[in-house]
Amino acid sequence: EVQLLESGGGLVQPGGSLRLSCAASGFTFSNYAMTWVRQAPGKGLEWVSGIRGSSGSTFYADSVKGRFTISRDNSKNTLFLQINSLRAEDTAEYYCARSQTIGELLLHFDYWGQGILVTVSS
Amino acid sequence: DIQMTQSPSTLSASVGDRVTMTCRASQSVSNWLAWYQQKPGKAPQLLIYKVSNLQSGVPSRFSGSGSGTEFTLTISSLQPDDSAAYYCQQYKSYWTFGQGTKVEIK
Repeated sequence: EVQLLESGGGLVQPGGSLRLSCAASGFTFSNYAMTWVRQAPGKGLEWVSGIRGSSGSTFYADSVKGRFTISRDNSKNTLFLQINSLRAEDTAEYYCARSQTIGELLLHFDYWGQGILVTVSS
Repeated sequence: DIQMTQSPSTLSASVGDRVTMTCRASQSVSNWLAWYQQKPGKAPQLLIYKVSNLQSGVPSRFSGSGSGTEFTLTISSLQPDDSAAYYCQQYKSYWTFGQGTKVEIK
C-alpha cells in the first residue's frame, strides 16, 4: 500500500525557516517524481515544487522560486521541502504527492499525503 | 504559464441530478488534464486522468471529456457522498490547478 506521511510543520515567525519531510512507503521511491502542493485556509490548490525520481531535476512555481528548495533522499525514501524567509502568505496545508511519469513526461498525481499545516505568524 | 479557469465556482444540485462543471485552459494542454475531488479536511484524491480515464476505485457515475482548452467533468447521478470541491489540473507544462468548483447537495 502506497503511503505518504508529511512532518515538520508548525508555527513559525515571519522571516523564519522550516523543513518539511514526506516519508514514502509501499513503492519504489526512486522511480517516481514527487511534488509539493499547498492550500491556504479556505483556498484552492497551488502546486509549489517538483523533483524527478532519479535525476533529481527540480521545478518551482514562480511564487516560491528562490525561497523554497525541494530535495529527496532515495536511500531513505524521503522527500523534503526547505522553506526560507517565510511570509504570512505561506500559511497553508502542505501536501506531498506522487507524480506518475512516462519516460520524461510528468503526469498526474495519483497518491497524496494527509497534509501538514504551516502557520506563519508573530 | 498555463492558467486554468473553472466554472461555476459553486454548484447546488439534488441527489440524482446530472451535474456538469467546466475547466478551461489559457492555451492547449492537449489531453494532459486530470480531475481531483477534495472533501473538507481531507487530502485531494485523483478521480480522472488524461481527460477521461477513471482512476481505479472511482465510481462510474464520474466521467470526463474535452480536448485542447475546454474540458468537462460530469456526475451522471449526484450522490450525497459527492459533496466536495473538484479541481482540474493541467500537466502539459509542469502542473497548474483550477480554482475549484464546490458541489453542494440541496
